[in-house]
Amino acid sequence: EPEVTQTPSHQVTQMGQEVILRCVPISNHLYFYWYRQILGQKVEFLVSFYNNEISEKSEIFDDQFSVERPDGSNFTLKIRSTKLEDSAMYFCASGNTGELFFGEGSRLTVL
Amino acid sequence: EDQVTQSPEALRLQEGESSSLNCSYTVSGLRGLFWYRQDPGKGPEFLFTLYSAGEEKEKERLKATLTKKESFLHITAPKPEDSATYLCAVHSGGYQKVTFGTGTKLQVIP
Repeated sequence: EPEVTQTPSHQVTQMGQEVILRCVPISNHLYFYWYRQILGQKVEFLVSFYNNEISEKSEIFDDQFSVERPDGSNFTLKIRSTKLEDSAMYFCASGNTGELFFGEGSRLTVL
Repeated sequence: EDQVTQSPEALRLQEGESSSLNCSYTVSGLRGLFWYRQDPGKGPEFLFTLYSAGEEKEKERLKATLTKKESFLHITAPKPEDSATYLCAVHSGGYQKVTFGTGTKLQVIP
């Protein structure tokens, strides 16, 4: 059964450093997403990506964040100059019709 | 702005004790309402999509229903392996994003 895969599963970084989280969406899906979940809180929308461009983004997704689909399979989230409050679980998701299929997540810890 | 409210926040059931979880929503043009299951430290796992009032979907011990203002996830004779957080989410017209509620944490005791 096809699935969304994410790497790394856990990343620890120092405040101010840049991190890149990677995702391989399900191959026939057209829409790609990043969500985050701070421990104990709700799953929050960050950004959606369609046809090689951002289709929608939330207020959280400011200039610190960027997304890229560098080739036909990978979808990345870059966080520049990380802050303590960026510590969270980051989920990649993909879909075609509104139903989203999520990866297992990348846990980011900023020290 | 889409709003999704789930209740209760937490629910503890004895094995075999049926119950329902509630999801109330306010959206501008519902395109789909989704139920997900999330286990600790894992990504949400898709369960159901409901598109219009009156629609029902079933999977094993779970049944999801939809009205114009809310959705229910009915759990019949739950087992300990049904313990998880159940998330409700909505997809509304004109937007790509799916908005999640805060979830109901279900614990089923043997």
